[in-house]
Amino acid sequence: DQQVKQNSPSLSVQEGRISILNCDYTNSMFDYFLWYKKYPAEGPTFLISISSIKDKNEDGRFTVFLNKSAKHLSLHIVPSQPGDSAVYFCAASDRYKLSFGAGTTVTVRA
Amino acid sequence: KAGVTQTPRYLIKTRGQQVTLSCSPISGHRSVSWYQQTPGQGLQFLFEYFSETQRNKGNFPGRFSGRQFSNSRSEMNVSTLELGDSALYLCASSPGQGAYNSPLHFGNGTRLTVT
Repeated sequence: DQQVKQNSPSLSVQEGRISILNCDYTNSMFDYFLWYKKYPAEGPTFLISISSIKDKNEDGRFTVFLNKSAKHLSLHIVPSQPGDSAVYFCAASDRYKLSFGAGTTVTVRA
Repeated sequence: KAGVTQTPRYLIKTRGQQVTLSCSPISGHRSVSWYQQTPGQGLQFLFEYFSETQRNKGNFPGRFSGRQFSNSRSEMNVSTLELGDSALYLCASSPGQGAYNSPLHFGNGTRLTVT
């Protein structure tokens, strides 16, 4: 049972434009959310996180938005750069373990 | 500070065999978690160890087991390998127990192929 869902397996965006990645979850016990980025042949690396007491967290070009009532979070990347081409995983924590989505492959076109 | 180290990077085994994967966490990190990544499934949680004790376990059959040593290094074992066990196995460490409020640091994984 997939408790964290990323419904878009891929996203193509032009360099300089905004990338918006979406994630939905079903478990209301999740209270900490993270985004990880993964290049081929490497492990995921932590990108940005948000606690359930907030609705927005910003770190440079990356902003994560959390809508608890809709059980939805999104990651905005502005502006998108060629080095952002990677697989992005959404993850949620219920204090015991992290549950991951299936990932969204982002391709930034020059 | 050295990152999470996983060995070996690649492994090819035959159905029915068993395999042991190794993980050395970041120095000072006491929690080690294991994940399985397959195409389209994301990362599936296997188990977490903290201070040599398994604290949490995912929905995998008993063929998947692990352990943690006193120096926090961890091993994962899969017995009676099946074709469906072919995947990237990722180890992650964190300073404290569990993933709550503390991002995991991942190794580069071990790519297991079962033929």
